Amino acid sequence: KAGVTQTPRYLIKTRGQQVTLSCSPISGHRSVSWYQQTPGQGLQFLFEYFSETQRNKGNFPGRFSGRQFSNSRSEMNVSTLELGDSALYLCASSSSPSAGTDTQYFGPGTRLTVL
Amino acid sequence: GDSVTQMEGPVTLSEEAFLTINCTYTATGYPSLFWYVQYPGEGLQLLLKATKADDKGSNKGFEATYRKETTSFHLEKGSVQVSDSAVYFCAPGKTSYDKVIFGPGTSLSVIP
Repeated sequence: KAGVTQTPRYLIKTRGQQVTLSCSPISGHRSVSWYQQTPGQGLQFLFEYFSETQRNKGNFPGRFSGRQFSNSRSEMNVSTLELGDSALYLCASSSSPSAGTDTQYFGPGTRLTVL
Repeated sequence: GDSVTQMEGPVTLSEEAFLTINCTYTATGYPSLFWYVQYPGEGLQLLLKATKADDKGSNKGFEATYRKETTSFHLEKGSVQVSDSAVYFCAPGKTSYDKVIFGPGTSLSVIP
């Protein structure tokens, strides 16, 4: 079974631009979560989608948004990029949203650099 | 809200040394507990998990026991290898609509 894929793997943007990252979960998984990873803040939860509905959202400004499609693929968008948005963005999928016992399967991440 | 306290490191050990990474948490209810590992340049992957009190998760020589009374899930390995060099994250699973929270990660370097 193919793992979680994220595209693109690397991205360089300038301040003020916007960016869209894509995540394809493991086949059959309907829950997708996004995380931002930085050396200073560690791994921070952005949002979670299940069956096209946002179930939970972290403490990020409204410039960060996401969506999920009917095939469970998800995108996240960051508008008006700031230098501090430079990070590794990780996507994870699981088979259900409860995740009390479910393992999350992570993609390799998209490395975003904002200049 | 839920939180995780984890020894941050970096930790540097010689090959074949004993490893302990402490993790304590606060969470609503009694979630499953996870350890994830991130090798350089990769995403996180599950290392082990335990689903209820006193369960012991184990994988690749690593072990962790779900201690409900102390709300801890310390990671141990008896003899580390250079290939164990990575960042290790402790995470309680969600109990309902809570967010998944990860510990800050512990960077481990094993030197020959």
